Amino acid sequence: KQEVTQIPAALSVPEGENLVLNCSFTDSAIYNLQWFRQDPGKGLTSLLLIQSSQREQTSGRLNASLDKSSGRSTLYIAASQPGDSATYLCALDMDTGRRALTFGSGTRLQVQP
Amino acid sequence: DTAVSQTPKYLVTQMGNDKSIKCEQNLGHDTMYWYKQDSKKFLKIMFSYNNKELIINETVPNRFSPKSPDKAHLNLHINSLELGDSAVYFCASSPTRPYIPYEQYFGPGTRLTVT
Repeated sequence: KQEVTQIPAALSVPEGENLVLNCSFTDSAIYNLQWFRQDPGKGLTSLLLIQSSQREQTSGRLNASLDKSSGRSTLYIAASQPGDSATYLCALDMDTGRRALTFGSGTRLQVQP
Repeated sequence: DTAVSQTPKYLVTQMGNDKSIKCEQNLGHDTMYWYKQDSKKFLKIMFSYNNKELIINETVPNRFSPKSPDKAHLNLHINSLELGDSAVYFCASSPTRPYIPYEQYFGPGTRLTVT
């Protein structure tokens, strides 16, 4: 059974810092991995999707990497801003016909102005 | 131009009642899902449908019954509501594999409170 862990559970940084959020998983037979952002009381916004054959994806100040062999993904946020404050979730789609995402518990990020 | 929409956004009801949550997507996707986010913010799959057929039915009480009248809609009906059903329910949709990128899009969520 796939288990997804996100460390740290919470993070507070001053504005302008570069930061890394971690996601680890136990089963490397994944189809793809998605990083989401969830604002309080809101739905999920997809940030980046990495196919199993890819090593990284970039969108603006965000860069996500994937290392299947070690069961790890990282989300790098450059030059953090207060508007980046949210909970960040990684989710794995397994390489089966199951067609459902397995989520980590999230990292709650607070960027101080 | 909302991609995945859910109604209602908030639902407050008493134990024992029956309620429904509706979901619609206008993305032309073949697969739709229901996820539950509990009080600890952990998201877990409940059901998925592909072309109106049930694909996943996790260990969810049979008081929960999804219904897909067509590919664009997936409704969730809950009978005999219990206090433990209080949570946020998210609807999502995605294209069907091997479509690339196989990305899931989420609705805004329905916050259900059972009193």
